[in-house]
Amino acid sequence: DGGITQSPKYLFRKEGQNVTLSCEQNLNHDAMYWYRQDPGQGLRLIYYSQIVNDFQKGDIAEGYSVSREKKESFPLTVTSAQKNPTAFYLCASSIGTAIYNEQFFGPGTRLTVL
Amino acid sequence: RKEVEQDPGPFNVPEGATVAFNCTYSNSASQSFFWYRQDCRKEPKLLMSVYSSGNEDGRFTAQLNRASQYISLLIRDSKLSDSATYLCVVQGVGGKLVFGAGTILRVKS
Repeated sequence: DGGITQSPKYLFRKEGQNVTLSCEQNLNHDAMYWYRQDPGQGLRLIYYSQIVNDFQKGDIAEGYSVSREKKESFPLTVTSAQKNPTAFYLCASSIGTAIYNEQFFGPGTRLTVL
Repeated sequence: RKEVEQDPGPFNVPEGATVAFNCTYSNSASQSFFWYRQDCRKEPKLLMSVYSSGNEDGRFTAQLNRASQYISLLIRDSKLSDSATYLCVVQGVGGKLVFGAGTILRVKS
């Protein structure tokens, strides 16, 4: 089955630690995205990538980093510089390189900072 | 003004009712419009794209009003399984999609 997988589903982190969230897709999509969702708020864009080895900051990139070494993979690292990292993180992908096409989401990772 | 605004609800309706949601957007140059559905603690899933001429998919009808800069979603004959949060998504300035905070729908028996 084609789709987007994210792991882990739940992640607990101590303050001061970096953590990496995994996102893999086998849809052969060019563009991939990372969003953060907080209760009662819309999704906010962290980073996006339209092609391999290239990515762009979204609206709330501070405290996060990404890489895009393979078309299928777009991992997100939440660094200790992110002041309020507890949230629901969603990875998405879309056909082609245009960033206004419909997006398909993975099941998400819930990150909790202890 | 937010780029995409939705009434958060909740909309509480009985089974079989017709319910409509509106969503306003600020980017007059937007070309892409979508409605997504998000169940509690799950990822958003595409419900339907919104086309200029309006479009229908079973019990769901989406419309676009460019002059007033809003899109709408109409759900007829509501089912219990329609209970979810409905996200309005619009192309924002710079081309990226912008997600509204969502409208909560609760369908009750």
